[in-house]
Amino acid sequence: AQSVTQLDSQVPVFEEAPVELRCNYSSSVSVYLFWYVQYPNQGLQLLLKYLSGSTLVESINGFEAEFNKSQTSFHLRKPSVHISDTAEYFCAVSYSGGSNYKLTFGKGTLLTVNP
Amino acid sequence: SAVISQKPSRDICQRGTSLTIQCQVDSQVTMMFWYRQQPGQSLTLIATANQGSEATYESGFVIDKFPISRPNLTFSTLTVSNMSPEDSSIYLCSVGGGRYEQYFGPGTRLTVT
Repeated sequence: AQSVTQLDSQVPVFEEAPVELRCNYSSSVSVYLFWYVQYPNQGLQLLLKYLSGSTLVESINGFEAEFNKSQTSFHLRKPSVHISDTAEYFCAVSYSGGSNYKLTFGKGTLLTVNP
Repeated sequence: SAVISQKPSRDICQRGTSLTIQCQVDSQVTMMFWYRQQPGQSLTLIATANQGSEATYESGFVIDKFPISRPNLTFSTLTVSNMSPEDSSIYLCSVGGGRYEQYFGPGTRLTVT
């Protein structure tokens, strides 16, 4: 069965510090990769996605993620975080050749940005 | 991306009762999904709601407990039947986007007492 592992359940950082949220997936086939963010008491928002092409993808609010096929990873990074980045972040994968759109989610990483 | 609304946004229900959650999308979509997010947990897919046919349920979820309707391409309902405290969760609907991604509604927070 496919799986997604988010290695850190909680990541506390200080404002303006860099952060990396780790995500690994299990697969022997092509994948599509996503990061979703869930702010307190809200639904999930798509943060960024990798479908094909450049392995480095960026979001509009300064996050980036790099697809590493050999490491089966899709880590999320931001060079300088803000208080407003405090949220739960979920990595998700969809497998090429499987049911279109079916997503498998990791357990999530709670990012807490402290002043 | 589509704009998705859910009703109710939250509810507190007594055990043994049922709750129907509505999901409305502002455009026609082929694929709609229902997820459960238990407290402190990730999302678990309950079923895929197919317009004009029965929903496709994931392992561990059955139609008698979670009946789903999909009467048209912009609307779906999920009913949580014969509720117990273990059903206390956030229930989210989502729709398929243009290239394999999904877009989510705001969720329905259900507490069963």
